[in-house]
Amino acid sequence: AQKVTQAQTEISVVEKEDVTLDCVYETRDTTYYLFWYKQPPSGELVFLIRRNSFDEQNEISGRYSWNFQKSTSSFNFTITASQVVDSAVYFCALSGFTGANSKLTFGKGITLSVRP
Amino acid sequence: GAVVSQHPSRVICKSGTSVKIECRSLDFQATTMFWYRQFPKQSLMLMATSNEGSKATYEQGVEKDKFLINHASLTLSTLTVTSAHPEDSSFYICSARDALPSGSSRPDEQFFGPGTRLTVL
Repeated sequence: AQKVTQAQTEISVVEKEDVTLDCVYETRDTTYYLFWYKQPPSGELVFLIRRNSFDEQNEISGRYSWNFQKSTSSFNFTITASQVVDSAVYFCALSGFTGANSKLTFGKGITLSVRP
Repeated sequence: GAVVSQHPSRVICKSGTSVKIECRSLDFQATTMFWYRQFPKQSLMLMATSNEGSKATYEQGVEKDKFLINHASLTLSTLTVTSAHPEDSSFYICSARDALPSGSSRPDEQFFGPGTRLTVL
């Protein structure tokens, strides 16, 4: 069974602060994908990143960065110099590679509020 | 590319009526589509996997007779909530997987629709 844990439920920061969203996962698969999605108040899911299990390189995209640590089964997401527009719910998700295992399992989400 | 639409975006209906939600892949073919339900302030829960030309596979606890799924073409899947009740009020989101991924679309990637907010009075 797959499981994604996002222990933080709500985070509030002041604009320009850095913030890290934690994600811990469990899977018996040896190959899998990890994702982060953003869900603004409009409700539409915005894809942020997908990493596969054999690529542990950290990734940076503008103000966003991701730290994948297989040893601790974590895939944390950091927003640098946060902005009000970053306010949203952020979901971490996990899927296997093929067939029934390719279903997405979502964490419970973290509500991020960035105050001006 | 890889755009998924849903219609309607918002629907309000009376208890006991049936509501149909459409999910379309606009610029790619999708042999597999997924239906999720999201209650307020909760996560997305997979309801069923819809395969073109065959019966949908429902997750445990989801009533297939209540949530009818039809995937009649490579670009359209529909979810019908039959005899809707207030407890069915939720945000329903579909996603589609590109049958022929190329270019910017990667294998097994799911593209999400904008969601349909259902309110049953």
